Amino acid sequence: QKEVEQDPGPLSVPEGAIVSLNCTYSNSAFQYFMWYRQYSRKGPELLMYTYSSGNKEDGRFTAQVDKSSKYISLFIRDSQPSDSATYLCAMSEVGSGDKLTFGTGTRLAVRP
Amino acid sequence: ETGVTQSPTHLIKTRGQQVTLRCSSQSGHNTVSWYQQALGQGPQFIFQYYREEENGRGNFPPRFSGLQFPNYSSELNVNALELDDSALYLCASSGDRGRETQYFGPGTRLLVL
Repeated sequence: QKEVEQDPGPLSVPEGAIVSLNCTYSNSAFQYFMWYRQYSRKGPELLMYTYSSGNKEDGRFTAQVDKSSKYISLFIRDSQPSDSATYLCAMSEVGSGDKLTFGTGTRLAVRP
Repeated sequence: ETGVTQSPTHLIKTRGQQVTLRCSSQSGHNTVSWYQQALGQGPQFIFQYYREEENGRGNFPPRFSGLQFPNYSSELNVNALELDDSALYLCASSGDRGRETQYFGPGTRLLVL
């Protein structure tokens, strides 16, 4: 079993839809949670960064962490065709330096 | 743009050869991490360097090695290339060890034939 599980999709939605992306994990030592966006043939770009449980909002993006359920989510409101990319969740432990453990990524396509 | 650059962008090698990939960190960052991303997978941690010393290693064999230089640029070396080494190699830089925010470069795509 992988430490981080993420539905690979692909996920296809119409423009303007609300998108929900999710990851589950098994390592209870994870304390830092991130979402990266990766366009084709590019490196991952940091979207959201949260510590421990709770919600964080940034524009159209909301990240949620539920440590009791070992479940994290990213919501995208009013999705745009430019949001079409692969979304990667990533996590790390306190004291692990910056070693990130990633999910496999979810491919998202937003149809005009 | 993150300010992290990598070279070359693409590379083709044959099995058994050796390869060196290069990374220039974002200004002010003294920590660099290298990741391997196979097609359709998330990046996997190879190792990290902090102030020229290795600071953690993932589940990769010793034929994967690295260097970090005083200007914080970095190299990833892979010896005795295998077909399964074909992947996108990403470097990420961050500030002082312990901060979790990493900024990734565009990657080097390696194909081993």
